[in-house]
Amino acid sequence: GQQVQQSPASLVLQEGENAELQCNFSSTATQLQWFYQSPGGSLVSLLSNPSGTKHTGRLTSTTVTKERRSSLHISSSQTTDSGTYLCAIDRSNTNKVVFGTGTRLQVLP
Amino acid sequence: EAAVTQSPRNKVAVTGGKVTLSCNQTNNHNNMYWYRQDTGHGLRLIHYSYGAGSTEKGDIPDGYKASRPSQENFSLILELATPSQTSVYFCASGDARGRDTQYFGPGTRLLVL
Repeated sequence: GQQVQQSPASLVLQEGENAELQCNFSSTATQLQWFYQSPGGSLVSLLSNPSGTKHTGRLTSTTVTKERRSSLHISSSQTTDSGTYLCAIDRSNTNKVVFGTGTRLQVLP
Repeated sequence: EAAVTQSPRNKVAVTGGKVTLSCNQTNNHNNMYWYRQDTGHGLRLIHYSYGAGSTEKGDIPDGYKASRPSQENFSLILELATPSQTSVYFCASGDARGRDTQYFGPGTRLLVL
């Protein structure tokens, strides 16, 4: 089955609203990363957060390793936040990174 | 300036033909990765490498070979392309066993007719 599950699959917000994205994973992970994929397809890393809470700009990620879940909170969303957010884990004792299928976010003006 | 580049950016190939996708990184990272991205599957790991001369199988290696002739370059080779290999291919580099941030190239759109 899918090792990394993300929810919701898609989300539509009005500009200024907050977004909460979820990532659940079925295997132990030594690393967890959140990526942003633009509508044009380019991928950039947002945060690496294997455990605890990390902030960068309007983004906050909280990972509870024992419960195998992570969240990404986007505050005061902007239209330029529109795109797909991907969660990825580095499975313990392997050298492989596994990605979820993403949450597609659309922020309306 | 882009640290991970891919070529070509778009490619149309015929079934049974040979396709080589190239990736170059200037991050001086030891690890490099090839993924494909398809609707409903997300990014899936095809091959990866720990350094020059090394290649390892990822989750979906069948039908693909990889070559890492130098620290900077990592190629993905489709010896006999099939329509099922139509996809978007991403190359990435990273510092240590996936635990560090991965930096992605812009992707290559491959259409196999």
